[in-house]
Amino acid sequence: KQEVTQIPAALSVPEGENLVLNCSFTDSAIYNLQWFRQDPGKGLTSLLLIQSSQREQTSGRLNASLDKSSGRSTLYIAASQPGDSATYLCALNSGNTPLVFGKGTRLSVIA
Amino acid sequence: EAQVTQNPRYLITVTGKKLTVTCSQNMNHEYMSWYRQDPGLGLRQIYYSMNVEVTDKGDVPEGYKVSRKEKRNFPLILESPSPNQTSLYFCASSRAGPLETQYFGPGTRLLVL
Repeated sequence: KQEVTQIPAALSVPEGENLVLNCSFTDSAIYNLQWFRQDPGKGLTSLLLIQSSQREQTSGRLNASLDKSSGRSTLYIAASQPGDSATYLCALNSGNTPLVFGKGTRLSVIA
Repeated sequence: EAQVTQNPRYLITVTGKKLTVTCSQNMNHEYMSWYRQDPGLGLRQIYYSMNVEVTDKGDVPEGYKVSRKEKRNFPLILESPSPNQTSLYFCASSRAGPLETQYFGPGTRLLVL
């Protein structure tokens, strides 16, 4: 059974820092991986989707990488801003089965 | 604006009183699903629907029902709510299936007393 782990559970950084969020998974037989952002009291917003054949995807200050062989994905946030404060979730798709979510990393960017 | 809407956003009810949480999307998506989010457990899928009149169980379907009579709507029904169904519920949709980008609604916070 696929298990997804996100470490650390919480992270606090000063504004302007570059940072990396980690996501690890136990079964490398995946179709794709999505990174989401969740703001308090709100739904999830999809940030990036990486297909299993891809190594990375970029959107603005965000870059997500995928290494299936090691069972890892990272979300890199450049020049962090207070508006980046949120919980970041990764979710794996292993076929026509439910997405498997990690428990998230709660990020605080301090001005 | 392309979106997934849920109603109500907040609901307090009592054990056994039937309730329905509505979900609607305006993106002509084929695939819709329901999740619940609980502290320490993360998001877990309750039910999903690949298309109109086609629904199937997710990981935690017990105590829930769904229907998909129209493409845009996917209501979640709790026939006899119990306190262990107190949770934050999310509806999601995607163009053609679970392999595509999922778009989530804003969530419904349910408290069952």
